[in-house]
Amino acid sequence: QITLKESGPTLVKPTQTLTLTCTFSGFSLSTSGVGVGWIRQPPGKALEWLALIYWDDDKRYSPSLKSRLTITKDTSKNQVVLTMTNMDPVDTATYYCAHLTMITHFDLWGRGTLVTVSS
Amino acid sequence: EIVMTQSPATLSVSPGERATLSCRASQSVSSNLAWYQQKPGQAPRLLIYGASTRATGIPARFSGSGSGTEFTLTISSLQSEDFAVYYCQQYNNWPPIITFGQGTRLEIK
Repeated sequence: QITLKESGPTLVKPTQTLTLTCTFSGFSLSTSGVGVGWIRQPPGKALEWLALIYWDDDKRYSPSLKSRLTITKDTSKNQVVLTMTNMDPVDTATYYCAHLTMITHFDLWGRGTLVTVSS
Repeated sequence: EIVMTQSPATLSVSPGERATLSCRASQSVSSNLAWYQQKPGQAPRLLIYGASTRATGIPARFSGSGSGTEFTLTISSLQSEDFAVYYCQQYNNWPPIITFGQGTRLEIK
C-alpha cells in the first residue's frame, strides 16, 4: 500500500525559505518509471504543479517558479524534500506530494499540508 | 508552455443525468492526459489516465476520450458523491512539464 505524507512548517514569514518533506512508503524511488511530485493549491483556487523528481534523479520544475525551487530525494529514508526560497503571501497554499506513475500522472497523493505566509 | 483550458467553469446537472466536461490543450499532448476529482478538504483522486483508461477502483460511469488537443470526461449517470471539482492534467515530453487545468465545478442542479 502506497502512502505519502507531507511535513513542514505551517507558518513562514515573507522572504524566508520553505522546506517541505514528503515521507512515503509502499514504493521505492529507485524503481524505473517512478517519480514524486509536488503540487500546491491556494485556498479556493486550482492545482499548480511545482516540481518532479524521477527514479534516476532527473528533476523538473515549473518554468514560472524554477528559480525558487529545489527538489531532492533521499532514497534510503524514503523522502523527497522541496525547498522554495523567498516566500511571499501569495505562496500561501496547501502543498501536496504525490506518486508519479508511468511518468505521466499522479496516482496517489498525500493529504497535503497548509502553509501560510505571513509576518 | 502548454495551457490547459477547461470548460465550463461550473456545470449544474441533476442526479442521474449525464455530465460532459471538456479540456483543451494549447498544443498537442498526444494521449498524455489525466483527470482528477477533488472534494472539499480532500486531496485530488486520479480518475482517468492516458486520456481514456480508468484508474483502479473507478466506477465504469466515468469515461474519458480524446487525443491531441481536445479531451472529454463523461460521467454517465451522476451520483450524489460525484459532485466535486474536476481537473485535467497534461504531461508533455518536451519540455517535460506538467500542467493542470483551472478546474470544472460540478454542482447539483
